[in-house]
Amino acid sequence: DQQVKQNSPSLSVQEGRISILNCDYTNSMFDYFLWYKKYPAEGPTFLISISSIKDKNEDGRFTVFLNKSAKHLSLHIVPSQPGDSAVYFCAAKEGGTYKYIFGTGTRLKVLA
Amino acid sequence: NAGVTQTPKFQVLKTGQSMTLQCAQDMNHEYMSWYRQDPGMGLRLIHYSVGAGITDQGEVPNGYNVSRSTTEDFPLRLLSAAPSQTSVYFCASSPGQVDTGELFFGEGSRLTVL
Repeated sequence: DQQVKQNSPSLSVQEGRISILNCDYTNSMFDYFLWYKKYPAEGPTFLISISSIKDKNEDGRFTVFLNKSAKHLSLHIVPSQPGDSAVYFCAAKEGGTYKYIFGTGTRLKVLA
Repeated sequence: NAGVTQTPKFQVLKTGQSMTLQCAQDMNHEYMSWYRQDPGMGLRLIHYSVGAGITDQGEVPNGYNVSRSTTEDFPLRLLSAAPSQTSVYFCASSPGQVDTGELFFGEGSRLTVL
């Protein structure tokens, strides 16, 4: 019973275009949502997060959108660069705890 | 800037052997956790701790033990290794203040159980 789902295992995008990575969740008690990027043989690194009381957060080329009614969030990368090629994990934190649940990841390939 | 340090980076065990994966952080973080990463399964939470002396189970705790005697260290113990525990293990920490909710990860420990 996965509480955080990333239904697209992989995504290919042309350099300079927008990359959109999607994530769905089932637990209404999640109060924080995060995106992590992971290169092979390295630990995940934090990209951007959003509180459940907001619907958008932007940091440079990265924007996260949260749709609470649909229990859906997305990460937009504009413009996409070859160095963005990595596995992206969506994560959610349970309210009142420090328990973080991760999705299965989406492998992004940005084509030069 | 050491951050989160995991040892060993690679380990091969035989079924039934025991071992401890070490995790240390030098950021005075209250929260620490262990994840395993398997193909197609993403990162799954094994155990976590919200401070010295306090631990709790995550999504996949069976076969693993943890303790938190100091703020800095959070070792993960496999008492009797099984092939199903072949995985890459990540330790993570957080200051416990949710401004960004960021978790800081170690570089991972790759474990193979034969």
